[in-house]
Amino acid sequence: KAGVTQTPRYLIKTRGQQVTLSCSPISGHRSVSWYQQTPGQGLQFLFEYFSETQRNKGNFPGRFSGRQFSNSRSEMNVSTLELGDSALYLCASSNTVSDTQYFGPGTRLTVL
Amino acid sequence: KQEVTQIPAALSVPEGENLVLNCSFTDSAIYNLQWFRQDPGKGLTSLLLIQSSQREQTSGRLNASLDKSSGRSTLYIAASQPGDSATYLCAVRRNAGGTSYGKLTFGQGTILTVHP
Repeated sequence: KAGVTQTPRYLIKTRGQQVTLSCSPISGHRSVSWYQQTPGQGLQFLFEYFSETQRNKGNFPGRFSGRQFSNSRSEMNVSTLELGDSALYLCASSNTVSDTQYFGPGTRLTVL
Repeated sequence: KQEVTQIPAALSVPEGENLVLNCSFTDSAIYNLQWFRQDPGKGLTSLLLIQSSQREQTSGRLNASLDKSSGRSTLYIAASQPGDSATYLCAVRRNAGGTSYGKLTFGQGTILTVHP
């Protein structure tokens, strides 16, 4: 089976712009979670989707949003980018919400 | 609020040594615990998943144990190799009334270097 794929792999944006990141889970997986990884804060939970429904949301401002499509693919959007949003954004999928999480390679976002 | 701590923050060992990485968590109401490795600039690779009802899991040279009541897990790596060099992360998933709560709470990781 193909693993979790994320596009794009690298992204450079300027402050105030918005960005959309995409995640394709492992075939058959219905749960998709998003995490932000920075050197200072480590890995922090953004949100989790299961069968197109957002089940959980982390403590991030409303500028961070996401959605999941009927084919389980997921997107996250960050509006009005700030310098502090520079991070590695990781997506993970699993068969159910409690199963082993499989992570993608991440999208490296740099905000200038 | 769940907090996960990993000790040591960094570890450097010669090839062939057996080693133990430690993970502790403050809230024992967990659904499961997962160990990952992360190579520089890459995503996370799942190593082992331990359900809250289990005491340990093994995969090849890796063995992970879980003591839920004391809030501890250890990852044992036997006969370490240079290819084991990476950051090792543990993460816990909360148990919300018998069902899982999607969020994983991660430790800060242990940076492992195995030198030839």
